[in-house]
Order: sequence, then structure tokens, then C-alpha cells
Amino acid sequence: GAVVSQHPSWVICKSGTSVKIECRSLDFQATTMFWYRQFPKQSLMLMATSNEGSKATYEQGVEKDKFLINHASLTLSTLTVTSAHPEDSSFYICSARVASGGVLETQYFGPGTRLLVL
Amino acid sequence: KNEVEQSPQNLTAQEGEFITINCSYSVGISALHWLQQHPGGGIVSLFMLSSGKKKHGRLIATINIQEKHSSLHITASHPRDSAVYICAVPNSGGSNYKLTFGKGTLLTVNP
Repeated sequence: GAVVSQHPSWVICKSGTSVKIECRSLDFQATTMFWYRQFPKQSLMLMATSNEGSKATYEQGVEKDKFLINHASLTLSTLTVTSAHPEDSSFYICSARVASGGVLETQYFGPGTRLLVL
Repeated sequence: KNEVEQSPQNLTAQEGEFITINCSYSVGISALHWLQQHPGGGIVSLFMLSSGKKKHGRLIATINIQEKHSSLHITASHPRDSAVYICAVPNSGGSNYKLTFGKGTLLTVNP
């Protein structure tokens, strides 16, 4: 099946620094990628929808200046957590949408990136 | 927004038992996803189905569109099946590919 990778898988940083997370679709082109955040024992929460070549669409309550998303190619989207603070510590997951051309749409999920801000 | 309810929240089984996890949603959909999340956090897409039943190995997923309900069954469960199982449905009133996730069912299969 389709593979989505994320890098890094783990990151620990000091408060105030910026962290970049990459999401790549390895064997297919993804016109749309999604970024999710998951706190312990919570559901995945959609942060933003990223379309190649255009600005990301952020969900309500997600600060677009804090979570910068770039989707420069059909196989790569990046999420940059700027000036990270301890409350940004979370599990960040991306998914890539494969358009089937019909009513069924499928998403392939990356393995996630665990961020710990000290 | 679609509301998603999963049951049970936690499930402990002995190896070999038949497992059923349920998912109900509030708004009609075109397709429903079943996902598996292992303790390390990575998510695997198990099924996407819009009607009837799908089978993959020991996993079976069924959906009843009229009743807005889906079930995930695991036959002959094994300790390696221990994970969180999550159902996800498209949000209502917008694009069909924004998903709303259930809170997940934590399955523990003991040897």
C-alpha cells in the first residue's frame, strides 16, 4: 500500500526554539496533506489542510503564525512549530490524501512525530 | 460536524477470542475508516468502506449506512492485535475528506 513517512520521529527541544517536521508521500503524489495533533488519551484533532501550491487552511483555534505549513511539492509537506512552548508538546501526525476519482477518498497516515518541549 | 461514538472504550480479551468494536455516527456519510494505532503511536489504515462488508485476514469490517453504524471484528485474536482501534468518518456539510475521529477503543489481548 501507499507509504507516508515523517521525519523526525522524535524531537526534544528547548522552549522558544522552532521545530520543523516533514511529511513525505513515498510512492504516490498527494494533492492534499493533513496535519493532526494528538494529546495523550485524546482523539486526533485536525490542525490544517495543506494543498500543494496554495496556502494551508487552518482549523478554528489553530494559530497559523505558530504552526507554519508549507506544501511545496506533491510529495512533501512541512509543519514548523515556531517558538515552541511546553504546551506544544504533542504527537503530530500527517496524512496524505489519494483521490480515487470517485466518491471514495482514502488517506494514508504517517507514523507520527513526538515533540517534547522542555 | 459528525459526532462519532465508539464502544467499548477499553476491551481486554484472551488470545483466540472473537472481538467486536462498534462505531456509531450522527450524519450520513459516503465512507468510514477503521484505523489501528499501536503503542508507539503510528497509525495504520485498516479499512475504508462505504457499504456491506470487507475482510482482510482476521479482520472484518461491516457497515450499515441506514443505521449509521459500523463494526470491526477480529477473529482468533492474538496479543499482537493489542492496539487502539479508531473509526473515522467524513465531516458533514463540507468536503468528504476531512475526518472526524472517534476516541478509540483500547484493545488488550492477553496470551
